[in-house]
Amino acid sequence: NAGVTQTPKFRVLKTGQSMTLLCAQDMNHEYMYWYRQDPGMGLRLIHYSVGEGTTAKGEVPDGYNVSRLKKQNFLLGLESAAPSQTSVYFCASSYSGGLNYGYTFGSGTRLTVV
Amino acid sequence: GQQVMQIPQYQHVQEGEDFTTYCNSSTTLSNIQWYKQRPGGHPVFLIQLVKSGEVKKQKRLTFQFGEAKKNSSLHITATQTTDVGTYFCAGTMDNYGQNFVFGPGTRLSVLP
Repeated sequence: NAGVTQTPKFRVLKTGQSMTLLCAQDMNHEYMYWYRQDPGMGLRLIHYSVGEGTTAKGEVPDGYNVSRLKKQNFLLGLESAAPSQTSVYFCASSYSGGLNYGYTFGSGTRLTVV
Repeated sequence: GQQVMQIPQYQHVQEGEDFTTYCNSSTTLSNIQWYKQRPGGHPVFLIQLVKSGEVKKQKRLTFQFGEAKKNSSLHITATQTTDVGTYFCAGTMDNYGQNFVFGPGTRLSVLP
């Protein structure tokens, strides 16, 4: 099994550009999450989804949008990138909200906004 | 809102020394989990603790959940270079999971 796959792995954007990060999981997990990781800040939840067609805001949702049209995919969009969005983005999925088995993370997308 | 803190932020040890990281929550937790992230890698789930006072072991790693379920610790005995990485705790107040809040992590360096 591939687990959780994120594309792309690296990206450089100019301020104001838009882009979409794709997360795909093949474990039939209901729950999916997008986190950003900055030095000394740990993992901060951007948005999450508890099932196909549903999304909810996390701790730091401003400047991001998400969609979960298919159960296996969770897309993170940046409409107008800003340097403050330079970060490493991790997607994760879980079977039962994370209970017992934890979250399965993708390998991350390193985004730089110049 | 719920806050999860970890200390220390960084720890440098000599190979063979023990290491402990502490996790503290501002609220009582229903569950706490621990993850390890190797340099340049992604977080990997290690273990979950549920019961008050629970202690679990994985080889040289010992995990403990406090009696009040507001704190937890991870202890590594006789560290090895393979233990290098950042250790995160993640806690939830929700019995159904879904809203785990991650601590900022403790970065461990092991000098050979």
